[in-house]
Amino acid sequence: ETGVTQTPRHLVMGMTNKKSLKCEQHLGHNAMYWYKQSAKKPLELMFVYSLEERVENNSVPSRFSPECPNSSHLFLHLHTLQPEDSALYLCASSQDRSEGDLLAGSTGELFFGEGSRLTVL
Amino acid sequence: SQQGEEDPQALSIQEGENATMNCSYKTSINNLQWYRQNSGRGLVHLILIRSNEREKHSGRLRVTLDTSKKSSSLLITASRAADTASYFCATGAGGTSYGKLTFGQGTILTVHP
Repeated sequence: ETGVTQTPRHLVMGMTNKKSLKCEQHLGHNAMYWYKQSAKKPLELMFVYSLEERVENNSVPSRFSPECPNSSHLFLHLHTLQPEDSALYLCASSQDRSEGDLLAGSTGELFFGEGSRLTVL
Repeated sequence: SQQGEEDPQALSIQEGENATMNCSYKTSINNLQWYRQNSGRGLVHLILIRSNEREKHSGRLRVTLDTSKKSSSLLITASRAADTASYFCATGAGGTSYGKLTFGQGTILTVHP
């Protein structure tokens, strides 16, 4: 148990469906992330939220829409996906630090959830 | 090629042997991290080494970093069947967000009992 919970663990959807992935972290962290893991490709960073503000969107298509209502919850809303969007979607959290803390021996650990396996038919 | 490329892509060893995985990267980094992933599960952080460090140990893990060669290695000593997993290196460019990482494709390690 990493303290980051993702639901659902498995999701099958048609290309015209609308669904959402949910992530909740119980670690008191102030940053949350969505990563995509496709077969035979490196993990790809999709979105970064720091202090509930989206600070990065890595050229992700608009059919993926993130939402971060508070520092403990992160959603990924899915709409009119394509079969190539089938992948394992991983949520993660971390405690962002000031520049000074980077020198103070903090662990810099990123905590991942178990992932949501998405299949688009 | 991708930032953070692991070598070899797959490694098969017997229990008790040491396992060495290598990672190369292209751009300047602030830190390099290693993660482990069991099949179909999330990633688990193993160790972080900063750009001003050359070697770090954690239990049976030893990580080295050579910034002049832009490479890192992860050594697992006295491997166990439970070490069977995929291992990923990830580079961080610095700043305040530890999670903005660039991952490699990973090394699949199989440890036979």
